[in-house]
Amino acid sequence: QKEVEQNSGPLSVPEGAIASLNCTYSDRGSQSFFWYRQYSGKSPELIMFIYSNGDKEDGRFTAQLNKASQYVSLLIRDSQPSDSATYLCAVNIIGDSNYQLIWGAGTKLIIKP
Amino acid sequence: DTEVTQTPKHLVMGMTNKKSLKCEQHMGHRAMYWYKQKAKKPPELMFVYSYEKLSINESVPSRFSPECPNSSLLNLHLHALQPEDSALYLCASSQGHDMNTEAFFGQGTRLTVV
Repeated sequence: QKEVEQNSGPLSVPEGAIASLNCTYSDRGSQSFFWYRQYSGKSPELIMFIYSNGDKEDGRFTAQLNKASQYVSLLIRDSQPSDSATYLCAVNIIGDSNYQLIWGAGTKLIIKP
Repeated sequence: DTEVTQTPKHLVMGMTNKKSLKCEQHMGHRAMYWYKQKAKKPPELMFVYSYEKLSINESVPSRFSPECPNSSLLNLHLHALQPEDSALYLCASSQGHDMNTEAFFGQGTRLTVV
């Protein structure tokens, strides 16, 4: 069973601090990794994707990928109350005959003013 | 334009009704997806269309019937649904159905079966 694991939270972070969200995956053949943000009652919104080991920065967001340890993380700097949402990690793997996007259960992030 | 448009936004239907959900994208994406999402759960893949052909059907009951009339449109026909089918139905699209496939979601249709 190919799995993606996230701590369900909630993760509570003070405003202005760095929020760190983690995701581990079981399939060593995984090639691409995505972070989606989902506000309650809304649809997932792609915020970051990463394909290579190392860090990728986009504004206040940094995705970190370590394929040897099979984890991917998302850092949010200068956290704002508007960052409060559920963050879903998704990993693209090669299935039986197709690519499959495997989803983690999501981490609920709460930014406290 | 990174928009995927879904209609309707909300739908209430009886168990004997027939209804359709619609999805449209004009990004030139060749892969389109239907997902079902229950509260506090991740999206659950239902169907994948790649180049207008059904490439994945995740053992979805036949009361859900997808249709891809052209490369920009995706429909989901609903018939004889059960109350447990109530969920958020999400359409997504990506450039292709391959390794580095960033999928963009529509706003979803909140479906309630009564």
